[in-house]
Amino acid sequence: DAGVIQSPRHEVTEMGQEVTLRCKPISGHNSLFWYRQTMMRGLELLIYFNNNVPIDDSGMPEDRFSAKMPNASFSTLKIQPSEPRDSAVYFCASSPSTLAQETQYFGPGTRLLVL
Amino acid sequence: GDSVTQMEGPVTLSEEAFLTINCTYTATGYPSLFWYVQYPGEGLQLLLKATKADDKGSNKGFEATYRKETTSFHLEKGSVQVSDSAVYFCALSGNRDDKIIFGKGTRLHILP
Repeated sequence: DAGVIQSPRHEVTEMGQEVTLRCKPISGHNSLFWYRQTMMRGLELLIYFNNNVPIDDSGMPEDRFSAKMPNASFSTLKIQPSEPRDSAVYFCASSPSTLAQETQYFGPGTRLLVL
Repeated sequence: GDSVTQMEGPVTLSEEAFLTINCTYTATGYPSLFWYVQYPGEGLQLLLKATKADDKGSNKGFEATYRKETTSFHLEKGSVQVSDSAVYFCALSGNRDDKIIFGKGTRLHILP
């Protein structure tokens, strides 16, 4: 079974441009999470969805960030306009259910560099 | 709120040495506890977990015991290998939602 799929794996863009990151969760998983990882701040939860509905977006840094999950097999994280401080590795993860003991399965990440 | 504190790295050991990475937590109720590992250039993956007090999680020679009395979940391995070099994250998931709270991670270097 395929794991969590993220695209692109690497993205280099210029400040002010729109960036869209994509995620395909594991089939049958009900929860989806977006994280950002930097050396300075570590791993931060940005937003998570349950059954395609956003549950908690308190980690989204500002209005330039938005996330959608139009169906159970696809989610996007958009940054518009992008800034150099958005440079990070962005991970998507999915989980089979809402139970607290459930494991999260991470994708390989998208490495974003904003010049 | 819930939180996880783990020892800062980097931790550098020689091959076959004994490993301990300390982790303590603050949470209401009875959280589930996890150790995730991140190898270079990859996403995090579950290493082991424990869902109730006194449970021991184990995998690939690593172990951790859920100690409610000391609110700890220390990671141990008796003999580390160069291939264990990675970043290790302690984490918890509380009763109220499906979020996992991650620690800041501990980078481990194993020298041959």
